[in-house]
Amino acid sequence: TQLLEQSPQFLSIQEGENLTVYCNSSSVFSSLQWYRQEPGEGPVLLVTVVTGGEVKKLKRLTFQFGDARKDSSLHITAAQPGDTGLYLCAVAGGTSYGKLTFGQGTILTVHP
Amino acid sequence: GAVVSQHPSRVICKSGTSVKIECRSLDFQATTMFWYRQFPKQSLMLMATSNEGSKATYEQGVEKDKFLINHASLTLSTLTVTSAHPEDSSFYICSASDGPSYEQYFGPGTRLTVT
Repeated sequence: TQLLEQSPQFLSIQEGENLTVYCNSSSVFSSLQWYRQEPGEGPVLLVTVVTGGEVKKLKRLTFQFGDARKDSSLHITAAQPGDTGLYLCAVAGGTSYGKLTFGQGTILTVHP
Repeated sequence: GAVVSQHPSRVICKSGTSVKIECRSLDFQATTMFWYRQFPKQSLMLMATSNEGSKATYEQGVEKDKFLINHASLTLSTLTVTSAHPEDSSFYICSASDGPSYEQYFGPGTRLTVT
């Protein structure tokens, strides 16, 4: 059983379209992070959400943390080819202090 | 700030040889470093957690005798893939944490190809 269920796994859209990526769990988290990774590079932190119901915006990206702190979503408005990449949600926890557990990831391809 | 480097960025080695990958925190002291493995189009899988001066903690299913991790200083951790085989070919990513918080700073990754 995955701690984090991320969906969809693949997303292929045209430039200008909107999209939403979901990250769900049955567990409650104190915080959740979203990362973006480009091919051949390490993941880059986009945002950390900590408060239930919190909404954070980063230009065309909107991140929301569920009221119960069990789920999160990433919404991209008017997607651009530069948004193409692997999007990952992650939470802290596990046997090692500070250990991150990642969702399965969403591969987003935005076609011009 | 919070820059993590990895060396080499790409390495090709022959089956049966060993390869060492370095992970350095350039502008902070990393009390904890993490090593991940990533297959194409997949998420990151944690291999092990290393704390400076102590033995690494390996995740279930990761062979500690095959993937040797050394965290000898607060700025350097190394991952050695011993007796590499083609199935060890992967993208290896390290991250570093500067304290008892969960924030990790990721390196750019190392592409290992075993022929």
